[in-house]
This record gives sequence, structure tokens and C-alpha cells, in this order.
Amino acid sequence: NAGVTQTPKFQVLKTGQSMTLQCAQDMNHNSMYWYRQDPGMGLRLIYYSASEGTTDKGEVPNGYNVSRLNKREFSLRLESAAPSQTSVYFCASISLAGDSYNEQFFGPGTRLTVL
Amino acid sequence: ELKVEQNPLFLSMQEGKNYTIYCNYSTTSDRLYWYRQDPGKSLESLFVLLSNGAVKQEGRLMASLDTKARLSTLHITAAVHDLSATYFCAVTRDGNQFYFGTGTSLTVIP
Repeated sequence: NAGVTQTPKFQVLKTGQSMTLQCAQDMNHNSMYWYRQDPGMGLRLIYYSASEGTTDKGEVPNGYNVSRLNKREFSLRLESAAPSQTSVYFCASISLAGDSYNEQFFGPGTRLTVL
Repeated sequence: ELKVEQNPLFLSMQEGKNYTIYCNYSTTSDRLYWYRQDPGKSLESLFVLLSNGAVKQEGRLMASLDTKARLSTLHITAAVHDLSATYFCAVTRDGNQFYFGTGTSLTVIP
């Protein structure tokens, strides 16, 4: 199993450009998440998807959109990138239904710089 | 809004010593998680604590949960250099939204 995969690993954008971060998991998990990590602030939840076809806002959703394409894939889109969106982005997944040990698995991260 | 506070934020300790990291959260939570992150890497799950009084141990790390006090601890026994990393706790509300602490950066000095 590959676990949680993310593409790209690194990206540099200019202000105003758009891009989509891709995430996929092969563990048949129901729930998927997008976080951003900034120095000194831990991880903050951007959006999550509790099941295929549903998405909900997290703590810091402004400037982002998401799509739960199917059970495996959850993408994050920046429509018009801003320097404040410079961060490391992590995708994660978890199975919250029926498992006694609900471990959350993280992807390797995408390091995004907006100039 | 659910707030999660960790202390200390930075911890430098000698090999062989014991220490505890604290994680306080502001409102009732479903479960509590501990993670480890090495520099430039992703997060690795260490423990999931599901109920009051839960205690889990893995090697030199032991985590406990007191839901009445809204407090979790991560105890390090006889620290070794390989434990140097940043440790995060996180709690969930409604089982979906995760709230992370700001992390504790641990350095173990020989």
C-alpha cells in the first residue's frame, strides 16, 4: 500500500496564479483532510470530507476550494494564490467508521511558495 | 472554538532523563491524538486515546488522558537522541474536525 500520496512535492507560484494540489489514498478510508502548517502554528484544518460527495469547511477555508472526486481522491484548489498562502500543505485520511483504532495517516506534504 | 495548548513549546533535555509534555484542550472532545514530526517530514501517528483514563505506551513514550481535566500527557522515559522531534497533540470535535496544538520541539542532548 502506498498510503497517502500527494502531488506536487514543491511548487512556486506568482500572486494571482491558480493551482490544484492532488491527494489520493489507497486505504479505503472514508474521511479525508487538507491542512496547512505554518511555523509556530501547528496544523490548521482547511477543509475535510467525511465521505464521498461531501465536503465541509475547517478552521481556515478562505481562498481555497476542494473536490472529493471519489473515495480515493481529494483535491485542493487555490484559485488566485496570495503570499499568505505560502505554507506546507498536508493531506490526511482516516477511517472513522467501525474501526477501534482510528489512526490518521498523513501524506508527505506539498511545499508551496507564493511570490 | 476548540483550543489546544501544549507546553512547553521547546524542550531541551539530557539523555537518560525523564520529562512530560502537557496538552490542554478547551472543550469536550471525542478522542485525543499524539503525533511525531521530524524536520522536513510528515506527521507520524503515535497514539490514539479514546476514553478517560486511557494509557498507552510504546517504547520510551507513554501517553495518558484525563477527560475531566481536559488534559493529556506524553511522558518520556530515559530519553535518547532518536526521540528528538516535534510532538503534536490533536483533538477532534464530532469526530471530524481536528484541532492541533502548536507542537513541542524536543531536543535530546547527549
